[in-house]
Amino acid sequence: AAGVIQSPRHLIKEKRETATLKCYPIPRHDTVYWYQQGPGQDPQFLISFYEKMQSDKGSIPDRFSAQQFSDYHSELNMSSLELGDSALYFCASSPGQAYTEAFFGQGTRLTVV
Amino acid sequence: GQQVMQIPQYQHVQEGEDFTTYCNSSTTLSNIQWYKQRPGGHPVFLIQLVKSGEVKKQKRLTFQFGEAKKNSSLHITATQTTDVGTYFCAGQAAGGTSYGKLTFGQGTILTVHP
Repeated sequence: AAGVIQSPRHLIKEKRETATLKCYPIPRHDTVYWYQQGPGQDPQFLISFYEKMQSDKGSIPDRFSAQQFSDYHSELNMSSLELGDSALYFCASSPGQAYTEAFFGQGTRLTVV
Repeated sequence: GQQVMQIPQYQHVQEGEDFTTYCNSSTTLSNIQWYKQRPGGHPVFLIQLVKSGEVKKQKRLTFQFGEAKKNSSLHITATQTTDVGTYFCAGQAAGGTSYGKLTFGQGTILTVHP
């Protein structure tokens, strides 16, 4: 069965650089979520999209932005990277907004040096 | 904002022993979900509880949702080495406009010694 695809799997950037993370949700899933998970931490909600519109916003820095495209894939753009941005970034998709399980991708491990 | 607290943070058990992790939300939840994350892996959905007082079982795993829909527990009977991982509860808020957003507990890291 198709799963959530994230790319790249690993990314190394220097401070103040920019990074773009991509997410391809499961087909026919209309909701995409982005989570950030620091080492030994729980996933922290960043932002979500429903039918290509932003539906909710969490603890996402102003340096980050995201969008969902017409083909439902989503991109998380991160600028002016800081050392503290080093984390696992998960994308998850679900068939609807509430009362539905989230299917997580394998994640992108971002290391800022 | 909504907070979800989970205890214990760590649990070391001998294979065959039981294991329980507890989750408590600061606000009433519409539903609570449980996820398992293996080391180096991604969260994998285990179950969703929606009704007040609901109890669900999956083989050796028993999940409970409190009457007030603010707390939950996961109990594993006779743990096996394959149960190793971090167990997260994650709540969806009742009402409001935060549809679908999951607020995760801190997770319980389970280690099973053979």
